Amino acid sequence: DVVMTQTPPSLSVAIGQSVSISCKSSQSLVYSDGKTYLHWLLQSPGRSPKRLIYQVSNLGSGVPDRFSGTGSQKDFTLKISRVEAEDLGVYYCAQTTHFPYTFGAGTKLELK
Amino acid sequence: QVQLKESGPGLVQPSQTLSLTCTVAGFSLTSYNVHWVRQPPGKGLEWMGVIWNTGGTRYNSALKSRLSISKDTSKSQVFLKMNSLQTEDTATYYCTTGIGYWGQGVMVTVSS
Repeated sequence: DVVMTQTPPSLSVAIGQSVSISCKSSQSLVYSDGKTYLHWLLQSPGRSPKRLIYQVSNLGSGVPDRFSGTGSQKDFTLKISRVEAEDLGVYYCAQTTHFPYTFGAGTKLELK
Repeated sequence: QVQLKESGPGLVQPSQTLSLTCTVAGFSLTSYNVHWVRQPPGKGLEWMGVIWNTGGTRYNSALKSRLSISKDTSKSQVFLKMNSLQTEDTATYYCTTGIGYWGQGVMVTVSS
């Protein structure tokens, strides 16, 4: 199985601050079609996961452009510019290139 | 508007079989794949399996011997059955279109 390693496990931030979360995979996430199926999800407290970014850098519907994703092959980053209160929760990276699909362990974003 | 909603028993006895239903709206099961993902309390996400729009299935090998996913396209329902439940199977179970859209989840406790 592809192991997804997320760092840091938690972040304490002030509103308005910018933060980055890293996700590294144990195998390349480039599929045979040339696309990279690495995604970012946010799970707000008590809620279902919500897709923020798909295929490395594409913003999901309704997701503010304060969120951005970069990376390639095995190394990916989610950046949040100007954190707002609604951004708090657990962030997961997920790969859907290889079976079984796997998730990172999560990064908990908290208010300082 | 795409919607998914899980339903099923909140409590299952050890060694028994779990049966869950995912009822979808806003799309046809002949066009979308539906996945099941679970999350133990306070822990991360585990992909369980998928039923393709064509009706084929693929399972996480860690669960394959216990898991079955099927659907009734005419009723817009997807079914999960997992046997030989143990306390470690206590989790919130989600159906999802595969990252993009998620149900609200159903909490299942395995206990006598």
